[in-house]
Amino acid sequence: DTEVTQTPKHLVMGMTNKKSLKCEQHMGHRAMYWYKQKAKKPPELMFVYSYEKLSINESVPSRFSPECPNSSLLNLHLHALQPEDSALYLCASSGLGQGKNIQYFGAGTRLSVL
Amino acid sequence: DQQVKQNSPSLSVQEGRISILNCDYTNSMFDYFLWYKKYPAEGPTFLISISSIKDKNEDGRFTVFLNKSAKHLSLHIVPSQPGDSAVYFCAASANNNDMRFGAGTRLTVKP
Repeated sequence: DTEVTQTPKHLVMGMTNKKSLKCEQHMGHRAMYWYKQKAKKPPELMFVYSYEKLSINESVPSRFSPECPNSSLLNLHLHALQPEDSALYLCASSGLGQGKNIQYFGAGTRLSVL
Repeated sequence: DQQVKQNSPSLSVQEGRISILNCDYTNSMFDYFLWYKKYPAEGPTFLISISSIKDKNEDGRFTVFLNKSAKHLSLHIVPSQPGDSAVYFCAASANNNDMRFGAGTRLTVKP
């Protein structure tokens, strides 16, 4: 099973709303990722969690707040977003340790900020 | 700074022929390269990878070639099938966690 599940699939929110994106995997992976993808652009790395600890934050604005409650779950809390934050948000997971690790992606949450 | 580049936004080939998708990179620290395939409304799906210690990796109809001196890799699909029509992303990493993607190439295989 190489499934990464993201909810919701679509989200529309106002600039004053607070919402959360959720990601779940049961592959025993200890690294989880958030990416942002705008139309006709490559996925851009936002955050990396390794062993439930934040290991990479690619200078993401504080209106995006990641959380990793356990090894299977990854959340992205959204607050006071801007219209330019509208994008596809992808979650991925991978193994850790020696060797090269393949990242497995969810289907994404398409976010629209009004 | 786009460290991984796919200069062809689209490619159209006839069914049964070879599809060649190209990717260039600028960071000489990259040592692992991957190709992902993406259908509409789905996340990227891993297709094939290659380590920098190799120059070729083959998996069925898919072969990835790596030219380190030119900082270039390519994905060959032969024979191409209509079901291969998708967006293909090239990706590269310098360690296990920090992966950079190209902008993607939309492949259309015509019956």
